Amino acid sequence: AQRVTQPEKLLSVFKGAPVELKCNYSYSGSPELFWYVQYSRQRLQLLLRHISRESIKGFTADLNKGETSFHLKKPFAQEEDSAMYYCALSGGTGGFKTIFGAGTRLFVKA
Amino acid sequence: SQTIHQWPATLVQPVGSPLSLECTVEGTSNPNLYWYRQAAGRGLQLLFYSVGIGQISSEVPQNLSASRPQDRQFILSSKKLLLSDSGFYLCAWNPGANVLTFGAGSRLTVL
Repeated sequence: AQRVTQPEKLLSVFKGAPVELKCNYSYSGSPELFWYVQYSRQRLQLLLRHISRESIKGFTADLNKGETSFHLKKPFAQEEDSAMYYCALSGGTGGFKTIFGAGTRLFVKA
Repeated sequence: SQTIHQWPATLVQPVGSPLSLECTVEGTSNPNLYWYRQAAGRGLQLLFYSVGIGQISSEVPQNLSASRPQDRQFILSSKKLLLSDSGFYLCAWNPGANVLTFGAGSRLTVL
């Protein structure tokens, strides 16, 4: 069965510190991996996808098929990064479905 | 432009009452549509998805149902609400490349 695991419910870091939000997945087939973000009082929105291999708002994520991980990283956290982050998986044998993890709330302290 | 609308934004209903949440998409045709429930500590749970009119796939057996009477309309319903149906319901559509665009959500409180 396809599953996305985000082991941390809450992550608190100081401004300027590195941040890593962990995501592990299980799949059948060739899934696509995504990170979505929900800022306070805003809609859930796409942050980045592994296919794009791009940095968005300073965040990057590398797909590690050997470890089945897709951790989200940023070298220097900013206060405006405080939000709820969801790792998601789509495709594979799931077809049109997108499965989300439980989410990690990131809190960046001044 | 392509937009997604959900209503009502908030709803307070007594146990045993019916439910209807509506979602519509503008600016596209034949979109893949999804209903998710967002609960604290449980993330986003996929409830239903639809790839076309009248085509509904259910992911979680529960007290809810979904319908797609028109190409760009997706409705989440219940005949009799339970306390456990309380939550934040999100509609989404897939504009392509497996990326989801979400609505603003509907917060349901069952008392």
